[in-house]
Amino acid sequence: EAQVTQNPRYLITVTGKKLTVTCSQNMNHEYMSWYRQDPGLGLRQIYYSMNVEVTDKGDVPEGYKVSRKEKRNFPLILESPSPNQTSLYFCASSLKGTTYEQYFGPGTRLTVT
Amino acid sequence: AQSVTQLDSQVPVFEEAPVELRCNYSSSVSVYLFWYVQYPNQGLQLLLKYLSGSTLVKGINGFEAEFNKSQTSFHLRKPSVHISDTAEYFCAVSETGTYKYIFGTGTRLKVLA
Repeated sequence: EAQVTQNPRYLITVTGKKLTVTCSQNMNHEYMSWYRQDPGLGLRQIYYSMNVEVTDKGDVPEGYKVSRKEKRNFPLILESPSPNQTSLYFCASSLKGTTYEQYFGPGTRLTVT
Repeated sequence: AQSVTQLDSQVPVFEEAPVELRCNYSSSVSVYLFWYVQYPNQGLQLLLKYLSGSTLVKGINGFEAEFNKSQTSFHLRKPSVHISDTAEYFCAVSETGTYKYIFGTGTRLKVLA
């Protein structure tokens, strides 16, 4: 089944403790992206990747890192999480660029205390 | 800089009535436009997209949208809604030649019996 998977689905952590949210797709997509969803703010793009080893900042990259060493994986790293990063995070992928449909993962709900 | 405005945060409508969800965007260059739907506790799913050509775009589940360049709008319509259309709807824009997305803040459509 074609899908985007994220792990973990739920995570509660403390301020400053490094964490990684994994994202994997099995559709051989070139484009991958991370978003955060907050009430009243909609989705905001954090980082995106056009292909392996090619990443760029979205609108809200501060406090996040990403890497794209393999085509299928695009992990999101929070090196020192803070409470304002409490949010619902979505990973998405598309065949190429923004003219193709994005397929979204199920989301990761992160709480930073 | 590009931006997306969804003026209505919530839209209640009775079953079998028509509905229009409004989306306006701001950009100095050509754009691609999208509508996504998010059902409760799920990721987003593409409803339809406008890349070029005909300004009336038909999508899944009986939805359609019309691109109006002069009014910089991309309103979503459905002639007769069903209870199962209850969801949150997001308008998104991507400027041509970029790989970034900007999403609106979302409109919650509640279909009443």
